[in-house]
Amino acid sequence: DAGVTQSPTHLIKTRGQQVTLRCSPKSGHDTVSWYQQALGQGPQFIFQYYEEEERQRGNFPDRFSGHQFPNYSSELNVNALLLGDSALYLCASSPTKLAGVTDTQYFGPGTRLTVL
Amino acid sequence: AQKITQTQPGMFVQEKEAVTLDCTYDTSDPSYGLFWYKQPSSGEMIFLIYQGSYDQQNATEGRYSLNFQKARKSANLVISASQLGDSAMYFCAMREGRRNTGFQKLVFGTGTRLLVSP
Repeated sequence: DAGVTQSPTHLIKTRGQQVTLRCSPKSGHDTVSWYQQALGQGPQFIFQYYEEEERQRGNFPDRFSGHQFPNYSSELNVNALLLGDSALYLCASSPTKLAGVTDTQYFGPGTRLTVL
Repeated sequence: AQKITQTQPGMFVQEKEAVTLDCTYDTSDPSYGLFWYKQPSSGEMIFLIYQGSYDQQNATEGRYSLNFQKARKSANLVISASQLGDSAMYFCAMREGRRNTGFQKLVFGTGTRLLVSP
């Protein structure tokens, strides 16, 4: 049973460019959350997708956008990259229980983004 | 807003000894969940253990146990019989969500770096 997968593993971009990160959830999981982890910090919640819609968003600007596909995989897009966007981007998936409550989140290996 | 505090930036332990990693939390929500994750240098966050606010007993998963003291708002992770492979960052997290919406997110602490020596 494959876990959460993310691509690419590493990415180097320059300021002002755009980037797309990809995530495939664990089998049986329908909810995908994205987190940003700056160096030496804990992960910070970006947004969560469920049923192909953004369910909730953290304190991140509109430059950060996402998408969820019918197969539950997800993309994170960041426009007009800034130096401060350099971080590890983690995708987490979780199943939704019958009551509509999400369960434990399982993380992928992350994409390390460096903005020069 | 919910908050997680991990006051130990780094901890050292010898192989085969037990170690406790501290975590305190703050929330006004009577229903919450507490998690511990391990993050090796590779970057992946590995789920270790979960404690629900209404669980009567402390959670255990193999060598991991959670010392849950609700009145003190603490959820310390205890690792028994440490192994060299336990060297990593450890994060405590709380599940925060809006009621009846199904939405939940994790709020993380700043982590504790554990180093296990031979």
